[in-house]
Amino acid sequence: AQKVTQAQTEISVVEKEDVTLDCVYETRDTTYYLFWYKQPPSGELVFLIRRNSFDEQNEISGRYSWNFQKSTSSFNFTITASQVVDSAVYFCALSSIQGAQKLVFGQGTRLTINP
Amino acid sequence: DADVTQTPRNRITKTGKRIMLECSQTKGHDRMYWYRQDPGLGLRLIYYSFDVKDINKGEISDGYSVSRQAQAKFSLSLESAIPNQTALYFCATSDASTFNEQFFGPGTRLTVL
Repeated sequence: AQKVTQAQTEISVVEKEDVTLDCVYETRDTTYYLFWYKQPPSGELVFLIRRNSFDEQNEISGRYSWNFQKSTSSFNFTITASQVVDSAVYFCALSSIQGAQKLVFGQGTRLTINP
Repeated sequence: DADVTQTPRNRITKTGKRIMLECSQTKGHDRMYWYRQDPGLGLRLIYYSFDVKDINKGEISDGYSVSRQAQAKFSLSLESAIPNQTALYFCATSDASTFNEQFFGPGTRLTVL
């Protein structure tokens, strides 16, 4: 069975600090996708990134970066120079590339950026 | 206009009532999903459908049923609502071209008293 664990339930930092959200996953599949979604206070789910299990290169998008390490089954998300608008719940998710392709979500991490 | 819409957006009902949540999409995707979100548990899959004739149970289907009326419409029913079905419900869509990325509706907040 697939499983995603986000051990950090809540994180609170002061604006401009860097913050890393941890994601650890379990799967027996050799090929899979990993995702991060953002849920701002308004409630909608916003797609941030998809990573293919074949590609272990780190990715950077503005202040956001992702570190994928297959050896430790982790897909961590770092926000550099955090801003109040980054306050949200962040979900990590896993999906098989073959078969039903269902998304399995972690429990979510509530990030609060204080001014 | 939103690509994935859900109605109603908010609903308060009483224990034992039948309730239907509706999802419509204009993205042309063939796959549709229903999730529920509970605090501390993330999103959990209730049902999913790969086309009108293909309906599958997810992780937590007990107490729920679904209907895929057309490629663009996927409804979730609670036959006899109970308080522990109070949650935020999301509909999502995808297809082969999205590489497993799912596109979510705005959510329906359901309260069962």
